[in-house]
Amino acid sequence: QSALTQPPSVSAAPGQKVTISCSGSSSNIGNNYVSWYQQFPGTAPKLLIYDNTKRPSGIPERFSGSKSGTSAALGITGLQTGDEADYYCATWDSRLSAGVFGGGTKLTVL
Amino acid sequence: EVQLVESGGGLVQPGGSLRLSCVASGFAFSGSWMTWVRQAPGKGLEWVANINDDGSETYYVDSVKGRFTISRDDGKNSLYLQMNSLRGEDTAVYYCARGHIFCLGASCYQRYFDLWGRGTLVTVSS
Repeated sequence: QSALTQPPSVSAAPGQKVTISCSGSSSNIGNNYVSWYQQFPGTAPKLLIYDNTKRPSGIPERFSGSKSGTSAALGITGLQTGDEADYYCATWDSRLSAGVFGGGTKLTVL
Repeated sequence: EVQLVESGGGLVQPGGSLRLSCVASGFAFSGSWMTWVRQAPGKGLEWVANINDDGSETYYVDSVKGRFTISRDDGKNSLYLQMNSLRGEDTAVYYCARGHIFCLGASCYQRYFDLWGRGTLVTVSS
């Protein structure tokens, strides 16, 4: 059981927008930075969003992050078939003194 | 080229040991926090351990405490994970990653991982 809760799957049509939620607690999301990772099958994760809302160089503006209280969200607009992947949120848990990942969300672009 | 390359994975019997290595290149390894993250077959990512920039602080997920040890050799630009008393549930691809942290006073906390290796597969089975 992950400390962070994500929906197992989300889906939307090409060109549409999708939001992936990540729910935690005051010991993790509520008081620490959230990051998001994209992972294609058989490959290493890739940083998409850091410090809750920032995009690394090279990440399209279609990807955005937000955080409110003990929850965070990843938004993807203008969906493309190439966005089909697994997405993970992550943060530090101050009570556990450990890093934590969400269980991951599989995005399907119909 | 900025990269991390893991090695040392393989097949090991339950109760056995294995040492993973991760060689860094193209960036200032000695000033970087480093992390091991694993992914069991068909499962999600699991944070395993962190080590701070000078090796004086380490952190572990509860399931590996007392069995795994993270360490580093800055002279060799290398990160290690010594894994003892291995169990079937330790079977996974193990990734090393470069971490970024923020500090409040004397305490520092993980922010994000911006560089990942390709991973090395550890299989624990008889």
